[in-house]
Amino acid sequence: NAGVTQTPKFRVLKTGQSMTLLCAQDMNHEYMYWYRQDPGMGLRLIHYSVGEGTTAKGEVPDGYNVSRLKKQNFLLGLESAAPSQTSVYFCASSLSLGDSPLHFGNGTRLTVT
Amino acid sequence: AQKVTQAQTEISVVEKEDVTLDCVYETRDTTYYLFWYKQPPSGELVFLIRRNSFDEQNEISGRYSWNFQKSTSSFNFTITASQVVDSAVYFCALNLYSSASKIIFGSGTRLSIRP
Repeated sequence: NAGVTQTPKFRVLKTGQSMTLLCAQDMNHEYMYWYRQDPGMGLRLIHYSVGEGTTAKGEVPDGYNVSRLKKQNFLLGLESAAPSQTSVYFCASSLSLGDSPLHFGNGTRLTVT
Repeated sequence: AQKVTQAQTEISVVEKEDVTLDCVYETRDTTYYLFWYKQPPSGELVFLIRRNSFDEQNEISGRYSWNFQKSTSSFNFTITASQVVDSAVYFCALNLYSSASKIIFGSGTRLSIRP
């Protein structure tokens, strides 16, 4: 059982380049999330989805876009990367709201130079 | 406003010592859930425990125990007889029942266990 799979694991971008991070889950979870983790700031929610075809903004959505065309996949895009987007990105999924724990992917370390 | 505070940024203890990680939360909601997650040096985030706002019963799982006190808005985590494998960053999180966007993480406590 793979759980939540993120690709790629590492990426280096130059300022202004674009990229897409892919998240796939095989647990049939309705809810999916993208977080960024920065030193001393915990995890901050970028965007989330409450079901196939839906997306919503989280705490720090600027500079990112997302899509959830299929229930099992949640894509995070950076249209024009900036050094401030250097971070570790985590995808997560959950079965329901509130009482369900988050299941996390292994993270993507992105460096923007 | 909702908030989770983990005031201890870093803790370092010698193996076999007991250690408590503090978590204080703020919310006006009456229904909420509290979680602890562990992030070992390998980087993945692993769910440890969940508590709902109506269940103040403490929980023990092996060397781990959790103390939930609504009166002080705290959900503290104690590791007894710590081991090197407990070295990790630990995050406390608050989930509000009402919204997927209301999952708030503390800034984490980095725990180092010295052999």
